[in-house]
Amino acid sequence: GAGVSQSPRYKVTKRGQDVALRCDPISGHVSLYWYRQALGQGPEFLTYFNYEAQQDKSGLPNDRFSAERPEGSISTLTIQRTEQRDSAMYRCASSPGQGYLANGYTFGSGTRLTVV
Amino acid sequence: AQTVTQSQPEMSVQEAETVTLSCTYDTSENNYYLFWYKQPPSRQMILVIRQEAYKQQNATENRFSVNFQKAAKSFSLKISDSQLGDTAMYFCAFALYNQGGKLIFGQGTELSVKP
Repeated sequence: GAGVSQSPRYKVTKRGQDVALRCDPISGHVSLYWYRQALGQGPEFLTYFNYEAQQDKSGLPNDRFSAERPEGSISTLTIQRTEQRDSAMYRCASSPGQGYLANGYTFGSGTRLTVV
Repeated sequence: AQTVTQSQPEMSVQEAETVTLSCTYDTSENNYYLFWYKQPPSRQMILVIRQEAYKQQNATENRFSVNFQKAAKSFSLKISDSQLGDTAMYFCAFALYNQGGKLIFGQGTELSVKP
């Protein structure tokens, strides 16, 4: 697609429910990143993929968080048994590959998750 | 571990004036990139300017320029001829060359441009 697409734009869920957030990167982009941004804070790295391989998941806060990118394109970030502290904007970004870092990368509009 | 610090939570500037946003970072590595991202009220993340650590020349993009002081680990953003559309949150970010593009962001500076 023309840009990085994330869905849903907004998600309200009850505490304890599981949620799945979707990211559709720019077509052909090798690298895909997930960030979490709390209100009034800078984005915080969660995980990233090159193709379908998860290269770094050091930012995932605990084992309730997981991500996959099975075919090297669309990625899903799943949060199990959501808690109120999970409320944040979840952003996805993609880039042509690590060697293109000098150009930065393209962020999606984000999914605002609210856990009530 | 790498850290990025923006010590100015909020700043304001009059339209057409110049403003400088501060950013310092901490790393023991030599090969890295530095970025400034803009987040307007729409909450998009827009790349403003980037700097590669091995380049001594400061990056410039139209009204935006940086003052990169590698020894001091400082990377400030100067906005000249400020415009109302520059009103936004500005984030400084750092990425090591060999960590796959993982960005580390500062806390942000909220800039208001006043008419």
